Amino acid sequence: DGGITQSPKYLFRKEGQNVTLSCEQNLNHDAMYWYRQDPGQGLRLIYYSQIVNDFQKGDIAEGYSVSREKKESFPLTVTSAQKNPTAFYLCAGRRGATGELFFGEGSRLTVL
Amino acid sequence: GDSVTQMEGPVTLSEEAFLTINCTYTATGYPSLFWYVQYPGEGLQLLLKATKADDKGSNKGFEATYRKETTSFHLEKGSVQVSDSAVYFCALGPNEKLTFGTGTRLTIIP
Repeated sequence: DGGITQSPKYLFRKEGQNVTLSCEQNLNHDAMYWYRQDPGQGLRLIYYSQIVNDFQKGDIAEGYSVSREKKESFPLTVTSAQKNPTAFYLCAGRRGATGELFFGEGSRLTVL
Repeated sequence: GDSVTQMEGPVTLSEEAFLTINCTYTATGYPSLFWYVQYPGEGLQLLLKATKADDKGSNKGFEATYRKETTSFHLEKGSVQVSDSAVYFCALGPNEKLTFGTGTRLTIIP
């Protein structure tokens, strides 16, 4: 088995704590993405990375940080500066020039 | 900038009914168009795609035709099943990142 693996699937944290969501891929995708999903708002892009050691902000990057130290891994940290972090987070990898994305199963973060 | 407008849901149909979910887009150049499906508690899966005008994407009985003249990519299925209950997202690309619609929740009742 392989693909895009996200962990944990469910995560509960207290307000003010930083949280890191893991995303690993074995599909040799160059580009990786983090999206946030809220009810009725579709998917919003947080950060993306097209090559190792480089990443760009998406539409809602404030309060989040990422790293891309190796091709296979693209972790997302939800910091205490994110005002409303409770959401479903989706990681994806991109294959080739067509822009088709392959998604992980998501991580649901609840801040208490 | 690029944008996608999807038919608002939720949509509820009886089994074996005909399905249409509308999607229109605004984009510069010649984007590729996609439909993704999300089953409860899961990530998104690519359902079908079309990369140029007049192309028809199809998969699992679903079809969508890339219409440049109407900037549309409507999703259709002739006879839906209970297992088709999910959220459907229209998206456009390539660019560096896909642009997604807000999603349409479909529920099929037996």
